[in-house]
Amino acid sequence: DGGITQSPKYLFRKEGQNVTLSCEQNLNHDAMYWYRQDPGQGLRLIYYSQIVNDFQKGDIAEGYSVSREKKESFPLTVTSAQKNPTAFYLCASSTRGQLNTEAFFGQGTRLTVV
Amino acid sequence: KNQVEQSPQSLIILEGKNCTLQCNYTVSPFSNLRWYKQDTGRGPVSLTIMTFSENTKSNGRYTATLDADTKQSSLHITASQLSDSASYICVVSAEEYGNKLVFGAGTILRVKS
Repeated sequence: DGGITQSPKYLFRKEGQNVTLSCEQNLNHDAMYWYRQDPGQGLRLIYYSQIVNDFQKGDIAEGYSVSREKKESFPLTVTSAQKNPTAFYLCASSTRGQLNTEAFFGQGTRLTVV
Repeated sequence: KNQVEQSPQSLIILEGKNCTLQCNYTVSPFSNLRWYKQDTGRGPVSLTIMTFSENTKSNGRYTATLDADTKQSSLHITASQLSDSASYICVVSAEEYGNKLVFGAGTILRVKS
C-alpha cells in the first residue's frame, strides 16, 4: 500500500523543547516538502528537498531544521527557536519539483505547545 | 496581499444542492492551477489540475473552470453529499516562485441534511 506517512498524529511539546516530526514515503519520489497550516491561512512552505542530502529553505524556515539522509525519509525538527510552533504540519512528496507534477500529502501532525 | 484569494470563506448548503467556489489569483504567468479537498485533520487530496490552456476539467461531481484572461477559477459541486463537507483549497504554481506552490486559504464547505 503506497503512500506518505506522518507520525505522530498528535504531538505535545513543552516550552524550550525540540521535537521531531516524522515523514516517510514509499512512492519512490525524489522531492519532499514540509508545510505549516494555520487557521484561515494557506499552507506555507517550511523546507523542501529535491534529492537526497540536499534541501532548501522555504518561506518560513526560521526555527525549523530538516535532514534528508534517505530518499524515503524527511524528518522535520521544530526547535525551541520557533516562537509559535502550535500548528498543523503537512508533509508532501512528488516525483520531482512540484511545479508540474502531482503532489501527495500525508495525513498531518498536529503540534501543540503546553 | 495573498496571490491566491478564495471566496466565500465558508459556505453551508443543503444536501443535494449545487454550489460554486471561487478562486482569484494574481500569479502570472502560471504553470497550472489545482483544487484540493481537505477533510478536517487530514492532508489535502487532489481533485483537479489544469494548465493555463485548459478551460474546464471534471472529476465526478466536481467540475473546475479556468479563465486565464481574468485570472479566475471556480469549482462547481453538483448534487452535494454530506461527505463533501471539507475545506477546498485553490493552489497555483508558477515559475516566478521557483519550485513552489502558492496556496489559497481555502473555502470551508458544510453540507447539511
